[in-house]
Amino acid sequence: QKEVEQDPGPLSVPEGAIVSLNCTYSNSAFQYFMWYRQYSRKGPELLMYTYSSGNKEDGRFTAQVDKSSKYISLFIRDSQPSDSATYLCAFMNRDDKIIFGKGTRLHILP
Amino acid sequence: EAGVVQSPRYKIIEKKQPVAFWCNPISGHNTLYWYLQNLGQGPELLIRYENEEAVDDSQLPKDRFSAERLKGVDSTLKIQPAELGDSAVYLCASSFGLAGGGGNEQFFGPGTRLTVL
Repeated sequence: QKEVEQDPGPLSVPEGAIVSLNCTYSNSAFQYFMWYRQYSRKGPELLMYTYSSGNKEDGRFTAQVDKSSKYISLFIRDSQPSDSATYLCAFMNRDDKIIFGKGTRLHILP
Repeated sequence: EAGVVQSPRYKIIEKKQPVAFWCNPISGHNTLYWYLQNLGQGPELLIRYENEEAVDDSQLPKDRFSAERLKGVDSTLKIQPAELGDSAVYLCASSFGLAGGGGNEQFFGPGTRLTVL
């Protein structure tokens, strides 16, 4: 079983739709759960960050963590064409080492 | 505030040639990371520096890769000789605070896209 599983997509949705992105993980030592956004030809940028089970909301973005199922999700409401990017789930150990998922390519269609 | 700066942005070389990448982290950031990102994959850590000390280089292929961070600021990553399989994006990231503090945000540069012919 891989340490992190993420569907690479691509995922295409119409503008205004709700987007759901997901990852599963197997390492119980992960303490921090993150979502990075990466535009083409750019480095990843941190979008959402949490360390506990439950939901965390920031504007149109909601990060959800279920530690019992080892499952994390990112929801994007009212999706915009500018949200088109690759979304990487990421997990951090206590020593700040990050393990990334493969990334899901998202296309928001105008 | 300036972000992480990397150069060159693109590099094309022939196999067996040497190549070097340069990174200038965000001012005041103690920790610097080099990552490798293959097409369709997430970044993978190559080496982590705390100030000028390499504290995690377990994933660095030491037969051909080397890195240095003199004076604990700028860093260079070198490949000698380059192989076809080294074609990828090399990302540099930096964070404030030393590892172990938990949850230190890493800020990424734009990367250097290497093509080995």
